[in-house]
Amino acid sequence: KAGVTQTPRYLIKTRGQQVTLSCSPISGHRSVSWYQQTPGQGLQFLFEYFSETQRNKGNFPGRFSGRQFSNSRSEMNVSTLELGDSALYLCASSPLAGATYEQYFGPGTRLTVT
Amino acid sequence: DAKTTQPPSMDCAEGRAANLPCNHSTISGNEYVYWYRQIHSQGPQYIIHGLKNNETNEMASLIITEDRKSSTLILPHATLRDTAVYYCIVSPGGTSYGKLTFGQGTILTVHP
Repeated sequence: KAGVTQTPRYLIKTRGQQVTLSCSPISGHRSVSWYQQTPGQGLQFLFEYFSETQRNKGNFPGRFSGRQFSNSRSEMNVSTLELGDSALYLCASSPLAGATYEQYFGPGTRLTVT
Repeated sequence: DAKTTQPPSMDCAEGRAANLPCNHSTISGNEYVYWYRQIHSQGPQYIIHGLKNNETNEMASLIITEDRKSSTLILPHATLRDTAVYYCIVSPGGTSYGKLTFGQGTILTVHP
């Protein structure tokens, strides 16, 4: 099976702009989660989507949003970019097999805000 | 979610077993222990998880103490490619709705 794919892999944006990142989960996985990784804060949970519904959200401002499509692909959007939004954005999908929740991560999108 | 404590760094010789400890003394009965690792500049990689029994897969073994307050991840024959940050995470499984709380992890360096 193909792994989780994320596009683009690298992105440079200017303060005030908005950005959309895309994630394609492993085939058959219906849960998609997003994380932000920075050197200072480490890996932080942004939100999770399942069957096109956001089920969980981390402690991020409303400028961070996401959605999931009927084929389980997901996008996240960051509006009014700030310098502090520079980070590696990771997407993970899960098969939700049984009661456990192992997640499989993509390679990430590295966003640089100038 | 229960908090975990891991040593910041460990070294291991190539070919030897790497034993990475994790303390999770406040773990609840419905919480699983998950291990992930992250090789530099890549996304985290799922390794193994367990509830109370010891678990083994093709990558590693997970030993959970009887009181579930600590666990050890064992890489039986470490290679240079196992050099990574290893994260021990405690999470309630299905009801976590995707949220994994990552700490600082243990930087494992495998030496030739």
